[in-house]
Amino acid sequence: GENVEQHPSTLSVQEGDSAVIKCTYSDSASNYFPWYKQELGKGPQLIIDIRSNVGEKKDQRIAVTLNKTAKHFSLHITETQPEDSAVYFCAGLGGGADGLTFGKGTHLIIQP
Amino acid sequence: SAVISQKPSRDICQRGTSLTIQCQVDSQVTMMFWYRQQPGQSLTLIATANQGSEATYESGFVIDKFPISRPNLTFSTLTVSNMSPEDSSIYLCSVAASDTQYFGPGTRLTVL
Repeated sequence: GENVEQHPSTLSVQEGDSAVIKCTYSDSASNYFPWYKQELGKGPQLIIDIRSNVGEKKDQRIAVTLNKTAKHFSLHITETQPEDSAVYFCAGLGGGADGLTFGKGTHLIIQP
Repeated sequence: SAVISQKPSRDICQRGTSLTIQCQVDSQVTMMFWYRQQPGQSLTLIATANQGSEATYESGFVIDKFPISRPNLTFSTLTVSNMSPEDSSIYLCSVAASDTQYFGPGTRLTVL
């Protein structure tokens, strides 16, 4: 089955700087890679996703890049703000699977 | 997107008892899933709730422990049976809509 690795586990950046979180996956047939933001006491909120037929997708301050050859994808947050502080999870949908396989999460801390 | 609600939002239960968690979606969806998030951990898929047939369980999860119902395309229940403290987790309902997966707010379960 699919295996998703996520790094770093904790990331602290100054407000206004950029943050990058990286994930790798094992199943070359995987075709869908969402990113979720989870705030304390809440369910995961989808913030951006990418499919295997594109290399990059942007939504305002958030972007995701995908390298199918290397089997890795990254989340980029620019101009970070205090409200970006949360746990971020990457996930992959393996070929033939219906449910997502998640990375272990990154605790993003925005320092004022 | 899909709006998902779960009941209860949280509960404290005694070991040996069972708890049924309800998941309601605001639109008809084909795919519904149940995930577990142990304290401070990532999300793990428990099973896919199939409408009109038995749920499909992931490795490590069994029907006797986590029976699931899916009576229609907008509703599902997950029961956590014969609970022990190790079952203390957040249980999350998820749906696939518009080729994207969305999560409910979760049910925070504490077993004493």
